[in-house]
Amino acid sequence: DVKVTQSSRYLVKRTGEKVFLECVQDMDHENMFWYRQDPGLGLRLIYFSYDVKMKEKGDIPEGYSVSREKKERFSLILESASTNQTSMYLCASSRQQIGGYTFGSGTRLTVV
Amino acid sequence: DAKTTQPTSMDCAEGRAANLPCNHSTISGNEYVYWYRQIHSQGPQYIIHGLKNNETNEMASLIITEDRKSSTLILPHATLRDTAVYYCIVRVANRDDKIIFGKGTRLHILP
Repeated sequence: DVKVTQSSRYLVKRTGEKVFLECVQDMDHENMFWYRQDPGLGLRLIYFSYDVKMKEKGDIPEGYSVSREKKERFSLILESASTNQTSMYLCASSRQQIGGYTFGSGTRLTVV
Repeated sequence: DAKTTQPTSMDCAEGRAANLPCNHSTISGNEYVYWYRQIHSQGPQYIIHGLKNNETNEMASLIITEDRKSSTLILPHATLRDTAVYYCIVRVANRDDKIIFGKGTRLHILP
């Protein structure tokens, strides 16, 4: 079964820590995305990438960075975690052009 | 901002067809209509997409009006497992396009 795998389901980090959220897809998809989801705010796009070593800012990139060194892996980095980054983080991938997105199960990050 | 308008919530009896409407009156000629759903505590799941013609797959049917300003997702025989938030999205099919999610419709399937 094809899938998008996020490395952790639940994560608790301290304020100021550097946090890495990993996402791997096995579908040879070109595009990969990171969203966060918060109650009342829905899904918001943080960053996306349509090729290896390429990245584009989404709607809320502040406080985040990303890395795409290999086609199958897209990492989200919180350089210095803050409590307002407590959220559900969702990774997705898609083929270029008209493909639907495949989402991972999400990582629920709590910053204390 | 999302380019679609959906009802906030809907109820449907188990076993009946669930018809979820979506308005996208400003849709462009090269934009597709996509539907996703999100079951509680899971990532969104792709359901179906279409451009002009009606589409059907193993999960659902998508009916797009002739003027393409609205569409309806049909779950032919709703089950309790179909309880979820359903998102209607319009998207241009090009290389660097991205999905903007709206608030979606919370569908409750009633036993």
